[in-house]
Amino acid sequence: TQLLEQSPQFLSIQEGENLTVYCNSSSVFSSLQWYRQEPGEGPVLLVTVVTGGEVKKLKRLTFQFGDARKDSSLHITAAQPGDTGLYLCAGGSNYKLTFGKGTLLTVNP
Amino acid sequence: DADVTQTPRNRITKTGKRIMLECSQTKGHDRMYWYRQDPGLGLRLIYYSFDVKDINKGEISDGYSVSRQAQAKFSLSLESAIPNQTALYFCATSDFSREETQYFGPGTRLLVL
Repeated sequence: TQLLEQSPQFLSIQEGENLTVYCNSSSVFSSLQWYRQEPGEGPVLLVTVVTGGEVKKLKRLTFQFGDARKDSSLHITAAQPGDTGLYLCAGGSNYKLTFGKGTLLTVNP
Repeated sequence: DADVTQTPRNRITKTGKRIMLECSQTKGHDRMYWYRQDPGLGLRLIYYSFDVKDINKGEISDGYSVSRQAQAKFSLSLESAIPNQTALYFCATSDFSREETQYFGPGTRLLVL
């Protein structure tokens, strides 16, 4: 059974601070996705990474896939209240996803 | 219009009742999935289908069944609902690309009394 450990589970910060969310596994994944979910809505894709060591940037968000394709991180620079939400990582294998339990981020004005 | 739609969005039912949750997609994807989400447990895969004639159990399929009526439609049934099936249910789709990205519907909030 593949497991993804996501940390921290909860994060409350002030506007303008930087933060990093981690996603770790003992299993190798062929792809790694990050999603953001608002209360009562479905997860929305932020990024997919498929190559070990890959780094992708989406405005103030930076995503990295570990060299061994077992872990990933999401770094947010100068967080804003609009970044508040549940961040989910998901590892892909044989076209099925294994999800971490999520990081609930609150950015206070 | 949304690419992945789910009906109903909210449902309250009683223990022992049979209910069906429906999912439709206009993305043209072959692969469809059903998940449930519970607080603190994340998203867990119930069933998945890689094409109309291919149905597979996920990690928590007991108490559920599915039907793939067409490429665009995938339904989830609870044959005899029980309170611990109270959860948020999501349908998702994906294509054959290397990236394995899934696209989610808005969810159905189910309460079993």
